Amino acid sequence: DAGVIQSPRHEVTEMGQEVTLRCKPISGHDYLFWYRQTMMRGLELLIYFNNNVPIDDSGMPEDRFSAKMPNASFSTLKIQPSEPRDSAVYFCASNRGQVEDEQYFGPGTRLTVT
Amino acid sequence: AQSVTQLGSHVSVSEGALVLLRCNYSSSVPPYLFWYVQYPNQGLQLLLKYTSAATLVKGINGFEAEFKKSETSFHLTKPSAHMSDAAEYFCAVKSGGGADGLTFGKGTHLIIQP
Repeated sequence: DAGVIQSPRHEVTEMGQEVTLRCKPISGHDYLFWYRQTMMRGLELLIYFNNNVPIDDSGMPEDRFSAKMPNASFSTLKIQPSEPRDSAVYFCASNRGQVEDEQYFGPGTRLTVT
Repeated sequence: AQSVTQLGSHVSVSEGALVLLRCNYSSSVPPYLFWYVQYPNQGLQLLLKYTSAATLVKGINGFEAEFKKSETSFHLTKPSAHMSDAAEYFCAVKSGGGADGLTFGKGTHLIIQP
């Protein structure tokens, strides 16, 4: 299995631009999670999906952030417009959804907004 | 609400010495506990997890952790540190009952002195 795949690995953009991060979960995993990692706040859960449906988006910081999962093998996290404080590493993770299951993390996307 | 506290943002040990990384949790229901490791510019990799089957949990790379309910702790140990253990370590908690996202501690950066 290829594991969780994220693209791009690095993204540098200017303030005000739209940014789209992409994730492909492990095949057969019904749950997909988006996390953000910063020095100040550590790892934070932004949103998660079950069978392509958003279950909890309470961690999404602002309306500038949106996430979609159009099918079982693809999810996007979009920031529009981007701001310098959005600079962080964004991780995608997936699992089967059993309560004791660990989450499998992708390599992350390092976003820099200048 | 659940939370995780990792004591010590940085821990330095000599190669061959005991590694002890501390984690205390708060959860209103019996928790599921996880330790993840993050190497530079990589995603998170599971070291071990506690799911109530046994209080002493053995993981990969010689690490183990003991769940102590009375102390609400899940400290990570390794008898003999190796240079390759240098990384960031995260403790995480998930309260039972569903496939919710993980709540992470702030992480502990482990430094191995030659």
